[in-house]
Amino acid sequence: NAGVTQTPKFQVLKTGQSMTLQCAQDMNHNSMYWYRQDPGMGLRLIYYSASEGTTDKGEVPNGYNVSRLNKREFSLRLESAAPSQTSVYFCASSAVRDYNSPLHFGNGTRLTVT
Amino acid sequence: AQRVTQPEKLLSVFKGAPVELKCNYSYSGSPELFWYVQYSRQRLQLLLRHISRESIKGFTADLNKGETSFHLKKPFAQEEDSAMYYCALSINNAGNMLTFGGGTRLMVKP
Repeated sequence: NAGVTQTPKFQVLKTGQSMTLQCAQDMNHNSMYWYRQDPGMGLRLIYYSASEGTTDKGEVPNGYNVSRLNKREFSLRLESAAPSQTSVYFCASSAVRDYNSPLHFGNGTRLTVT
Repeated sequence: AQRVTQPEKLLSVFKGAPVELKCNYSYSGSPELFWYVQYSRQRLQLLLRHISRESIKGFTADLNKGETSFHLKKPFAQEEDSAMYYCALSINNAGNMLTFGGGTRLMVKP
């Protein structure tokens, strides 16, 4: 049982390049999330998917797109990377919609855009 | 919009000393509050939630609606408590749409 798996762990992009961050969970969770973590700003929600087939914007969605490919996988795409998107990206998942469903996080992807 | 503030970026204490990590929030309704922790080389994980009124690893947190605070406390810090701590707030019934504070790094010195 791996929990939430993110790939890649590290990535360096040049401004304007595109890439997709992959996330998969094996806990049969309904909901999945993408956060970015910046020093002093905590984690900010980019996009989330409450259930398979649905996606919604979070606090900071500009410059990103997401795809809930199936119940297990939730990818985050940067179409044209910018230096402001240099950050650590975390994927998370949670089960049913009640307070006994904490977020389970992946190990993160450290992205640098030059 | 809701907001979570952790005023201390770094808190350094000696082993055995009491610890209090501060968290203040702004939200007009009745939020649910959580503490998440990230130990070195480990994933971010839930430490405790106010609705459970539980004590985890000796830590407790009391929701003070009058002061809009949810400070995390432990009477005697241990070296293994050294980690990054995040206070988080949820305004929905699921407790999974979280707004995080900026985090406080706790260092417990021997």
